[in-house]
Amino acid sequence: DAGVIQSPRHEVTEMGQEVTLRCKPISGHNSLFWYRQTMMRGLELLIYFNNNVPIDDSGMPEDRFSAKMPNASFSTLKIQPSEPRDSAVYFCASSLGATGDDTEAFFGQGTRLTVV
Amino acid sequence: AQKVTQAQTEISVVEKEDVTLDCVYETRDTTYYLFWYKQPPSGELVFLIRRNSFDEQNEISGRYSWNFQKSTSSFNFTITASQVVDSAVYFCALKDYGQNFVFGPGTRLSVLP
Repeated sequence: DAGVIQSPRHEVTEMGQEVTLRCKPISGHNSLFWYRQTMMRGLELLIYFNNNVPIDDSGMPEDRFSAKMPNASFSTLKIQPSEPRDSAVYFCASSLGATGDDTEAFFGQGTRLTVV
Repeated sequence: AQKVTQAQTEISVVEKEDVTLDCVYETRDTTYYLFWYKQPPSGELVFLIRRNSFDEQNEISGRYSWNFQKSTSSFNFTITASQVVDSAVYFCALKDYGQNFVFGPGTRLSVLP
């Protein structure tokens, strides 16, 4: 398996523009996580899905952020409109997942977002 | 609510020294899972080890060892005879039974030649 695949790897956009980050989890994994990493706040869990259903989105910073998982092999994180303070590295991760699963999460390479 | 604390923000050691990275966690679950990840300068997150709450056995893997103590809610990580290649940010993480997976703030380890 190719691992968790994120695209794009780098994104530079202007304030106010819509940004969509994409993630393809490892095939057969049932849990998918979106994280944001900044120097100030470290690795923050934004939202996670289990079997394509959002379980906890309490980490989503505000209404400008939304995430979807239309099927088991694809998820998006959208920021609209983007602001400079959204600049960060966004990681997607997946794990084998069902409730009680003890396996680790496998991370994608991350998307470095810069909002100017 | 779950929480992971890594009190050491940055540590510097000289090559060949031993170093211990501390991790303290909070959870109300009786079943939970603990992890350590490494993030080298290249930026990817690399899984190192996992432990479930029922397994308090310590583990050794080469120069790495982990000490899990439920009584103090700690899951510490020791690198023996550190090397320059060990320089990275190390994250401790906690996953609950429902798959909520949270990370500590990380400890930046610098190993100087």
